[in-house]
Amino acid sequence: AQSVTQLDSQVPVFEEAPVELRCNYSSSVSVYLFWYVQYPNQGLQLLLKYLSGSTLVKGINGFEAEFNKSQTSFHLRKPSVHISDTAEYFCAVKSGSGGSNYKLTFGKGTLLTVNP
Amino acid sequence: EPEVTQTPSHQVTQMGQEVILRCVPISNHLYFYWYRQILGQKVEFLVSFYNNEISEKSEIFDDQFSVERPDGSNFTLKIRSTKLEDSAMYFCASTSFGTGELFFGEGSRLTVL
Repeated sequence: AQSVTQLDSQVPVFEEAPVELRCNYSSSVSVYLFWYVQYPNQGLQLLLKYLSGSTLVKGINGFEAEFNKSQTSFHLRKPSVHISDTAEYFCAVKSGSGGSNYKLTFGKGTLLTVNP
Repeated sequence: EPEVTQTPSHQVTQMGQEVILRCVPISNHLYFYWYRQILGQKVEFLVSFYNNEISEKSEIFDDQFSVERPDGSNFTLKIRSTKLEDSAMYFCASTSFGTGELFFGEGSRLTVL
């Protein structure tokens, strides 16, 4: 069985500061990894995904994440955050390399609050 | 841009009542899902649906839950007799071959009193 751990439930930062949201996963097979963002009163929007290839993945809104197989991590980073980045961020994993059955396992989420 | 739409956005019901949550997946998608998020907890997989049948379900998805694709566009989640612990945000999602991701709706918040 797979699991996802987001170590920080809340991360407060100041505007224009860098941020890293941590995600670790456990899975006995190859994985696909995702970061979703949920703005207040909205649904889940895909930020970025790792399926294969380069371990550094770039997503929307200036976010990027690095897949580290040896550390089983997929941390999300942004060099300079904006007020509008305030949202809940979810890391998710899909195990297995094939198929279209997207049964995802989610972490508990990290609330990023960007202060002026 | 195509999107997954869900109705209602918020429903309040009494314990023991039946509830139907509706979803319109993206039109050319073939795989459909329901997830739920109890306040303050993880987003959890409930059920996946393909080719007019359930392909996988979680332990949460007991006999009180059912899913249906009554026509070519809608995908519904029914809870027959709601319990207080069914209060949650329910997300519908869809995908298809080659998309590499799940597309989520904005969620339906269910409050059971």
